[in-house]
Amino acid sequence: GAVVSQHPSWVICKSGTSVKIECRSLDFQATTMFWYRQFPKQSLMLMATSNEGSKATYEQGVEKDKFLINHASLTLSTLTVTSAHPEDSSFYICSARDLMPTRGGSPLHFGNGTRLTVT
Amino acid sequence: AQKITQTQPGMFVQEKEAVTLDCTYDTSDPSYGLFWYKQPSSGEMIFLIYQGSYDQQNATEGRYSLNFQKARKSANLVISASQLGDSAMYFCAMREGSGAGSYQLTFGKGTKLSVIP
Repeated sequence: GAVVSQHPSWVICKSGTSVKIECRSLDFQATTMFWYRQFPKQSLMLMATSNEGSKATYEQGVEKDKFLINHASLTLSTLTVTSAHPEDSSFYICSARDLMPTRGGSPLHFGNGTRLTVT
Repeated sequence: AQKITQTQPGMFVQEKEAVTLDCTYDTSDPSYGLFWYKQPSSGEMIFLIYQGSYDQQNATEGRYSLNFQKARKSANLVISASQLGDSAMYFCAMREGSGAGSYQLTFGKGTKLSVIP
């Protein structure tokens, strides 16, 4: 089935540094990808919609200058957390839309997530 | 108003028994879709089942079935013959509208299912 690879699966960084998270669709083209954040014991909250070749659309309250999203190809979207602070520590997970899902399959595929810890 | 409501923070079920996880939704868009995901402690989102608003029949996938009651705006997940490996968080989610951006999901708060041996 369709696979979305997300890398790294976990990362620890120091406060003030930047971290890049990659989301790659391995066997399908994803013109649209989505980035979510999940705090412990909470639900997933949409951060932004990433469109190939154009600027990302950010949800209200999400700082676009802090969470930089680039979707330069049909198979890769990246999320860069700039000048990370401890409050940015969270689980970040991407999903990609599959325009040709298998019968009974999901039109969306999630990566395995990235656990970010900022010290 | 919340778009997705999961009223059961936690549920217990005996192994081999069936369990129903509740989900109600709120939308005025005639085109929408409902998803159920399982999230084990490792964090990955495992797709279970999908129901489109125009689908005539309730979705089923193996031991999972979705009890879709459109007039009541409910989309409950039924897991038959529970297994110990079913213990996890379960999220109901909805997409609204048509077009590429309509696949951004709104998630409920989740239900933690514990299967008892």
